[in-house]
Amino acid sequence: VQLEESGPGLVKPSETLSLTCTVSGGSLNSSSHYWAWIRQPPGKGLDWIAFSFYSGSTNTNPSLKSRLTISVDTSRNQFSLRLSSVTAADTATYYCARISDSSGYHIDSWGQGILVTVSS
Amino acid sequence: EIVLTQSPATLSLSPGERATLSCRASQSVSDFLAWYQQKPGQAPRLLIYDSSKRATGIPARFTGSGSGTDFTLTISSLEPEDIGVYYCQQRSNWPPIIFGQGTRLEI
Repeated sequence: VQLEESGPGLVKPSETLSLTCTVSGGSLNSSSHYWAWIRQPPGKGLDWIAFSFYSGSTNTNPSLKSRLTISVDTSRNQFSLRLSSVTAADTATYYCARISDSSGYHIDSWGQGILVTVSS
Repeated sequence: EIVLTQSPATLSLSPGERATLSCRASQSVSDFLAWYQQKPGQAPRLLIYDSSKRATGIPARFTGSGSGTDFTLTISSLEPEDIGVYYCQQRSNWPPIIFGQGTRLEI
């Protein structure tokens, strides 16, 4: 399976960050997987954002929940993230990823990541 | 919420040496712990899951061990390409998905 993030690399403060992850070589419509978003501020560690099941059921990081919308489109084999009211603290490389039951429900596949900078 | 603490923060070793990386959980995570390697400029890669199971394609020099609160990733004989940051991650009580802060391996 391959995952690829897409979206703008620059977002203005207070606006909404929108990213899409396209999955190829595998189906989003799978009971064996969850689909996740993880971010990494420059020079820092990994932060979990959210993960979703193909049904659309989603778990989100409580610190982001009020600003976050996650959607799953099985017909297009894509899942998406929208983060509103962004600030400089949201500047990070955003990864989409797959969680698999065959790897103990750990993250066995990652996209290459997309750097999103929040700046005017 | 479970906290994962990795040590040391940075490890500097020579090729052929043995590397020992530690991850300690603030409460038991059973064996639901994974290790990831992140090389410079790349996405993380799963090395070990469920404490000791090697992911597909991972060389045998990578070994995970531990249970409960104390876990170890051992690289038996370092190769130059092993440089990067290593993260542990638990899924015992998820959500949330929690990562350690990472250990930087320099060779």
